Amino acid sequence: DAKTTQPTSMDCAEGRAANLPCNHSTISGNEYVYWYRQIHSQGPQYIIHGLKNNETNEMASLIITEDRKSSTLILPHATLRDTAVYYCIVRVLTGTASKLTFGTGTRLQVTL
Amino acid sequence: DSGVTQTPKHLITATGQRVTLRCSPRSGDLSVYWYQQSLDQGLQFLIQYYNGEERAKGNILERFSAQQFPDLHSELNLSSLELGDSALYFCASSPGFGQLSNTEAFFGQGTRLTVV
Repeated sequence: DAKTTQPTSMDCAEGRAANLPCNHSTISGNEYVYWYRQIHSQGPQYIIHGLKNNETNEMASLIITEDRKSSTLILPHATLRDTAVYYCIVRVLTGTASKLTFGTGTRLQVTL
Repeated sequence: DSGVTQTPKHLITATGQRVTLRCSPRSGDLSVYWYQQSLDQGLQFLIQYYNGEERAKGNILERFSAQQFPDLHSELNLSSLELGDSALYFCASSPGFGQLSNTEAFFGQGTRLTVV
C-alpha cells in the first residue's frame, strides 16, 4: 500500500471549515483513498473514501487532485465533537477486502 | 454503534498469562481485522481473516494467534503476556467480497488489556 503524509496537528475554530490535507504521491491506479478518525481512544470511525472523483457524504467532502497524488478532507462546519485524530489511508482494490494501514494521522483540535 | 462487538471491554491480567479477546463482526461481514494500539501509538495491523481463512498478516508476534470460526466471529489469543502487550486491541469487519470488498471497515470499541 502507498504511504501517506499528513501534518501532525491542525487547529480549527468551531463553525469554520476544517481542511485536512494528505499527500499520497506514490498511489497506484487501483488504490482508493480512505479517511477515518479516532476520537480519544474509541474505535476508528469511517468518514469517506474515493478513487478519483470528489465525494461528499453527510459527514465530509473528499477532494482528490486530478493526478491523485494528494487529497483534502473537508469538514464543512467543524464542531468541538470533531476533535480527533484523522487518518488518511490508501487501500488497494482487490477482489476481497484488503487491510487498512494506518499512519500517524493529523490531530485536529477544534476550539471555541 | 458500528455493529462490531468486542468482549471484554477491559481486561487486567498478570505477566505470563494467556487471554482471549473476542470479536463479533457485523451481520454478513466475512472479513475480520485485528489491530493493536499501544499508549500514544498508532494502530498496528495484526492479522486479517476472510471467511475463516487467514488473508493477511502484519506485525503479529508469535505469542499471538487468531482464528475465525464458521459463525464468522473471531478470537485473538495472546499468550506469555508481557508488560509491553498492554494496549487497546481493536477488531474491524467489512463485507470483504466482490464489489463490496472496498467498502468501509467498521471498528468495534476495543478491548483495553492491562498486563501487570
